Amino acid sequence: EDQVTQSPEALRLQEGESSSLNCSYTVSGLRGLFWYRQDPGKGPEFLFTLYSAGEEKEKERLKATLTKKESFLHITAPKPEDSATYLCAVQAYTGNQFYFGTGTSLTVIP
Amino acid sequence: EAGVTQFPSHSVIEKGQTVTLRCDPISGHDNLYWYRRVMGKEIKFLLHFVKESKQDESGMPNNRFLAERTGGTYSTLKVQPAELEDSGVYFCASSQYQDGNTIYFGEGSWLTVV
Repeated sequence: EDQVTQSPEALRLQEGESSSLNCSYTVSGLRGLFWYRQDPGKGPEFLFTLYSAGEEKEKERLKATLTKKESFLHITAPKPEDSATYLCAVQAYTGNQFYFGTGTSLTVIP
Repeated sequence: EAGVTQFPSHSVIEKGQTVTLRCDPISGHDNLYWYRRVMGKEIKFLLHFVKESKQDESGMPNNRFLAERTGGTYSTLKVQPAELEDSGVYFCASSQYQDGNTIYFGEGSWLTVV
C-alpha cells in the first residue's frame, strides 16, 4: 500500500538554527515526490517536485533531497516567517492521486 | 493569473442538510481534483476529473457525495445528506497535465456539520 510518513510531527527552532524534516515513503513506483507548505487556514502552497533518487532542489532557505526511500527538507538559518506546516506527498505510476503525510508543524522562534 | 478558487470558504450546517461546494480551477487546467482533510488526519484523495469526465473516483467515501464538472470548467461537490463525520476541509486542486505534474491547491472549503 502506498503511504507517506513524516517526522517529526512538530519542530521548534530558534531563528538561525538549521534542521531537517523527514518524509519516508512506500510507493509502487514513484512518479514524483512533492513538498508543500501550508499556513493556518490556507491551502497547501507548492514548493518542490522531485522525480528521481539523487535529485535536489533549492529555494531560498529550503533544500529538498530525494533517495529511494525518503526525502529531506533542509532548512538553513530559518526565520520566523518560515513557520508553517510542511507537507510531503507522493504520486505513484499506478494512478494520478497524491498520497500525503500528516505534515511537520514548524515553529521558528525569534 | 488567478489561482484555484473555492466557495464557500466556511460552512456550518446541521446533520441531514445538504451542502454544495464549488471549485474554479486555474484557467487552462484540464485536471481537477478534490481532496479532503478531516481533523487529525492526512489530506486524502476523493476524485479526479479530466475535463468533464471522472477519471478516478476511488476515494469518494459513499454515495452521499456527488461531484460534477459540467462543461469541463468549474466543479461542484455536493454532500447530501451531511453527517457529522463529513466535517473537515475540502480542497480542490488543478493541474495542466497528469503524470507527475504539480497540482495547485485552493484555499479550501471548511465544512462543519453539527
